[in-house]
Order: sequence, then structure tokens, then C-alpha cells
Amino acid sequence: EIVLTQSPGTLSLSPGERVTLSCRASQSISKSYLAWYQQKPGQAPRLLVYGVSSRATGTPDRFSGSGSGTDFTLTISRLEPEDFAVYYCQQYGGSFTFGQGTKLEIK
Amino acid sequence: QVQLVQSGAEVRKPGASVTVSCRASGYTFTTYYVHWVRQAPGQGLEWLGRVDPSGGSIHYAQNFQGRVIMTRETSTTTVYMELSSLRSEDTAVYYCARERPDNCHFDYWGQGTLVTVSS
Repeated sequence: EIVLTQSPGTLSLSPGERVTLSCRASQSISKSYLAWYQQKPGQAPRLLVYGVSSRATGTPDRFSGSGSGTDFTLTISRLEPEDFAVYYCQQYGGSFTFGQGTKLEIK
Repeated sequence: QVQLVQSGAEVRKPGASVTVSCRASGYTFTTYYVHWVRQAPGQGLEWLGRVDPSGGSIHYAQNFQGRVIMTRETSTTTVYMELSSLRSEDTAVYYCARERPDNCHFDYWGQGTLVTVSS
């Protein structure tokens, strides 16, 4: 099973700042099966990015995904107040696994 | 619009079983897989398995083999997840989520069902 490790665990930032979240896999992820989700308290996760870098319908263009092999990132170019949430990466390599999440909190 | 509507919260004693339902609407039921993902309080996301509503094929996560059963009812566009031999660690919010076959990500999610296991 592929283990995903996200870093950092928590980030304290201000609106308007740029942020890059990291997701590292224990082995190479094939066929670009890497996605990112946003989750707010009391809500289900929401798909943001799939196939490493494709934005889901409704995802603002300030969100961008990149990476390959074992190292992936989600960048938010300019934080908006509604972006403060928990972010999870997810992969498929025979089974589905998620990272433990990165929490973005307002500084 | 696409909707996945889940059944309500459940409370069970250790050793018991629970069944959660997920009714799909707004799309052709048989053209998307339905998965189950859970989230323990304050924790991350854990995949339990998926069912193909078209042919009924099922793929369970290894951690839940022998303890979970997923079924579908095409006449009501509903998928069911039964988890047995419950223990306190199974206390979690259980989500159903949709996947277009072979896309390997989840584009729509249900609202979640809290299952509490307590004596």
C-alpha cells in the first residue's frame, strides 16, 4: 500500500499570502492518479485537483497542482478567507489512500 | 444535479453491525462506481471499498475484508455498506463518494453518516 505523507501538518498564514502544500508518496504513483481535496468543518471533502494538475469543475484558478513520481504539491497563489481548511492528497495504486492532511489556519 | 444522500446517524454497541445507505440521483447510476470512505473524529480519511453498480463487482480494502459488505439496488439507485463486529475504533463519519470508472478520484460525496459505537 502506498503511504502518503503531507507536510506541514499545520500552517498559519494570512489572507493574500501564497502557500505550497507538499504530499510525498512512499513509492512512485503511476498514471498521474493523484488528487487533492479541501475539507471544511462539518462538511464532506470537496475535489479540487485530479490527475496531478487538472482543476475540478468550480475550482478557482488560484489553485494549482504539480509534481510527478513521489513528490507532489498544491499551490494556492493568493489565499482567500474561504481557503482556510484542511487539505488532503489521495492516490490510487491498486487501492486508495489519503495523506493525513494539512490544516491551513488564519494567522 | 448530482446528489448522494445518505441515511441518518446510528448508534450501536460493540459487536453489533450497522448498515448505511447512499441514494444516488442526477446521473446515470450504472455509469459510476460508488465508494465508501470513513473519517474518525479529528482524524484523516480511510477508504473502505467500492461497488460497481453496473455489474455489481466489488473491491474491498484489505483492512476491512471479512467485516464489510457492499451491495447495490439498481431499482432504487441505492448503495449499501454493512460493517459488522463493530468496535469503538469504528466510530466515524462514513461517506459515500462517486468515481467515474478508472479516473481514480472522487468527484461527488454524500453528506456523511455518523456511526457511534459505544457500550
